[in-house]
Amino acid sequence: GNSVTQMEGPVTLSEEAFLTINCTYTATGYPSLFWYVQYPGEGLQLLLKATKADDKGSNKGFEATYRKETTSFHLEKGSVQVSDSAVYFCALREAAGNKLTFGGGTRVLVKP
Amino acid sequence: DSGVTQTPKHLITATGQRVTLRCSPRSGDLSVYWYQQSLDQGLQFLIQYYNGEERAKGNILERFSAQQFPDLHSELNLSSLELGDSALYFCASSETGLISGSDNSPLHFGNGTRLTVT
Repeated sequence: GNSVTQMEGPVTLSEEAFLTINCTYTATGYPSLFWYVQYPGEGLQLLLKATKADDKGSNKGFEATYRKETTSFHLEKGSVQVSDSAVYFCALREAAGNKLTFGGGTRVLVKP
Repeated sequence: DSGVTQTPKHLITATGQRVTLRCSPRSGDLSVYWYQQSLDQGLQFLIQYYNGEERAKGNILERFSAQQFPDLHSELNLSSLELGDSALYFCASSETGLISGSDNSPLHFGNGTRLTVT
């Protein structure tokens, strides 16, 4: 079946540091890939997505590139802010399906 | 604001009881999804409805059931509650729910209902 593996947190870093959250997946065919963010006390929000190999999704300074050869979709941000403190979820949707399969989530804490 | 409304925000009940969680999807969205988020299991897909009909089923227990009404709101019913059912239950909605290779409409999540079973 489909699965998503993300690095375990928490990830603690200082403001303006570089952030990388690793995500790898197992799926048949060509899934669509997503990053969702969950701020404290809120539901998940779509951060970015990529629907085919070599696509780069970007939003709010975050980027992730769909790498078919390494089955990865790592999330990066060059300079984090305190407001980026949240839990980040990598997810996939198989090409012929509807439901999202989520990774376990990575908690990120940015300190001033 | 995602446009998805879930009520109640918090629910505290005892083991053996039955509760109903409610979700109103974003205007125009036909699909509703239910997810359970717990510390040990992470985010688990429970069930999906599309335009009133069950479309996909995940790790939903037999004690749990759901439905989507003609006005597209959905309810998740949890019965014979156990301590392990304590979790955050999220509803999400999307425009479409068709099994199609071109269906990449994102999910929009509500803020969840926190259920505590004592």
